[in-house]
Amino acid sequence: DTGVSQDPRHKITKRGQNVTFRCDPISEHNRLYWYRQTLGQGPEFLTYFQNEAQLEKSRLLSDRFSAERPKGSFSTLEIQRTEQGDSAMYLCALPVAGSTDTQYFGPGTRLTVL
Amino acid sequence: QKEVEQDPGPLSVPEGAIVSLNCTYSNSAFQYFMWYRQYSRKGPELLMYTYSSGNKEDGRFTAQVDKSSKYISLFIRDSQPSDSATYLCAIEPTGRRALTFGSGTRLQVQP
Repeated sequence: DTGVSQDPRHKITKRGQNVTFRCDPISEHNRLYWYRQTLGQGPEFLTYFQNEAQLEKSRLLSDRFSAERPKGSFSTLEIQRTEQGDSAMYLCALPVAGSTDTQYFGPGTRLTVL
Repeated sequence: QKEVEQDPGPLSVPEGAIVSLNCTYSNSAFQYFMWYRQYSRKGPELLMYTYSSGNKEDGRFTAQVDKSSKYISLFIRDSQPSDSATYLCAIEPTGRRALTFGSGTRLQVQP
């Protein structure tokens, strides 16, 4: 149990379809992060929220990607018009209690685009 | 050049060996250093973090940071088959919230 759940755990979709992932912290956290991890690579930062405000976005986050955190609790990440290059593990992360700089990760959503 | 370099391995050792995993980084603004362990098809699991040069020990694990050389290491003593996983170093630059990861080293501990 990592203190954060992600849904779905695995998503298979056809190229061109839209997909949405959800990240649910078990307890309150003011910050929430999204990362993407492709095979054989470390996670790459996508974006982060301070409460409901999206404060930073990576240039990896093309205009097909959108993230929201409407009530400052759970967050969603949507990918429109998926491409095969979007196939990856999408990871949600939260700050470690008592630390402003260390993060722990959820189990991830594995996306496969056919 | 990547900001964080890590040998991808695989690194294969016999059970009970001491394992040394290493990363180098290029930006002296990096201030916070972390090691994660990741099993296949799982999210990364935080092992250790440190903010300063020197050693930090936690059970069989020791994290070492040398800021003058921009070099970080993770040592695993008495390695076990259950330690077989990919180990990721992660670094956070001062003033940013995003972590920069190495590509990970795959470790195999043979029983």
